[in-house]
Amino acid sequence: DAGITQSPRHKVTETGTPVTLRCHQTENHRYMYWYRQDPGHGLRLIHYSYGVKDTDKGEVSDGYSVSRSKTEDFLLTLESATSSQTSVYFCAISAGLEGGAGELFFGEGSRLTVL
Amino acid sequence: AQSVTQLDSQVPVFEEAPVELRCNYSSSVSVYLFWYVQYPNQGLQLLLKYLSGSTLVKGINGFEAEFNKSQTSFHLRKPSVHISDTAEYFCAVSDLAGSARQLTFGSGTQLTVLP
Repeated sequence: DAGITQSPRHKVTETGTPVTLRCHQTENHRYMYWYRQDPGHGLRLIHYSYGVKDTDKGEVSDGYSVSRSKTEDFLLTLESATSSQTSVYFCAISAGLEGGAGELFFGEGSRLTVL
Repeated sequence: AQSVTQLDSQVPVFEEAPVELRCNYSSSVSVYLFWYVQYPNQGLQLLLKYLSGSTLVKGINGFEAEFNKSQTSFHLRKPSVHISDTAEYFCAVSDLAGSARQLTFGSGTQLTVLP
């Protein structure tokens, strides 16, 4: 199994509070991604990173920011959480073209509830 | 832009019966295609992938999929399902432009195998 750890795995918070989710990998893969999973929508890309300090927006990036100061860590921050951000968040990693077809390997998810 | 449509949100099937999960995609460029499986409370795992070459792709757990370029489809099949195949299945597409593999996922198909 790919070495991907997400923390926290479960979090309940209140509207308006900041939240940070952490993704840690031990595979030294270049690419890291944050997806959110909601019923009827599958997985939607929030942000991704193609290297240290190199990030870009995905399909549903509004209300989220990311940072990657080390190869192994990719942080997702909700500056002011809203109820619409209640979701399950998945981190994924990929070796990209250099490592093959670029298939993604996923963490086990972080379930966030915003009250 | 690319998109993925999974035509069935729920597929119930009896044990040892065959199953087909349908996936259609749209893209203006050549693509890679993937099927992922998600067991309850877990992250996604790669089931199989189409990169190039033979249009019939075999994956883990006895699953296979056929790439049909003219119909822009990538349907997943298994000739005889088991209770343990109960899970949610996601079709995903990635275009060949760029090395940061941004997968676009379908909304998922819940396969329920009945005894």
